[in-house]
Amino acid sequence: AQTVTQSQPEMSVQEAETVTLSCTYDTSESDYYLFWYKQPPSRQMILVIRQEAYKQQNATENRFSVNFQKAAKSFSLKISDSQLGDAAMYFCAYRSAIPGGGADGLTFGKGTHLIIQP
Amino acid sequence: DAGVIQSPRHEVTEMGQEVTLRCKPISGHNSLFWYRQTMMRGLELLIYFNNNVPIDDSGMPEDRFSAKMPNASFSTLKIQPSEPRDSAVYFCASRIWGGETQYFGPGTRLLVL
Repeated sequence: AQTVTQSQPEMSVQEAETVTLSCTYDTSESDYYLFWYKQPPSRQMILVIRQEAYKQQNATENRFSVNFQKAAKSFSLKISDSQLGDAAMYFCAYRSAIPGGGADGLTFGKGTHLIIQP
Repeated sequence: DAGVIQSPRHEVTEMGQEVTLRCKPISGHNSLFWYRQTMMRGLELLIYFNNNVPIDDSGMPEDRFSAKMPNASFSTLKIQPSEPRDSAVYFCASRIWGGETQYFGPGTRLLVL
């Protein structure tokens, strides 16, 4: 079974600065997807960014980018120019690319609580 | 377009009562997922459906939990009888079959007294 580990229960950053959230995962599969979801106090799960394992290029979405290291099984999220609205729980998630069975569900890490200091 | 719709948003019930949570996936999405979020266990997949058929229910904690998807636009998660340890936020998510991304509903916060 796949596991996802987020080793930072909480991170704090000054507004306008850059912060990196860590995520490692364990899998024997070669093809999969990785995601970062944001959960603000409203509890809505919002997709931030996704990465296909077969793509070497790191995904980028505006101020959000990832550092995907497939050999190291690492998938960190970098938030540039942090804003107050970025304050939330951030969850790293894994999904197998093998169709069928239980592979279609997401396996989540425990989350990192990001605090933005004004 | 409307996102995933869940109802009720909040539910408070007493131990032993039956609880039914409802979900309407995004139109055109044919994969539907139920997750549970607790402080102790985080986010866990309970069950998911493809084209209304349950594919994997290995995450359903006990026989007290059951889920159905009678048609492409509606699913229910039922707990009977409910227990205090069932208190959690229950999320429904949907995805186009073969697509990459699951889209989550707002969740139902369940409190069992």
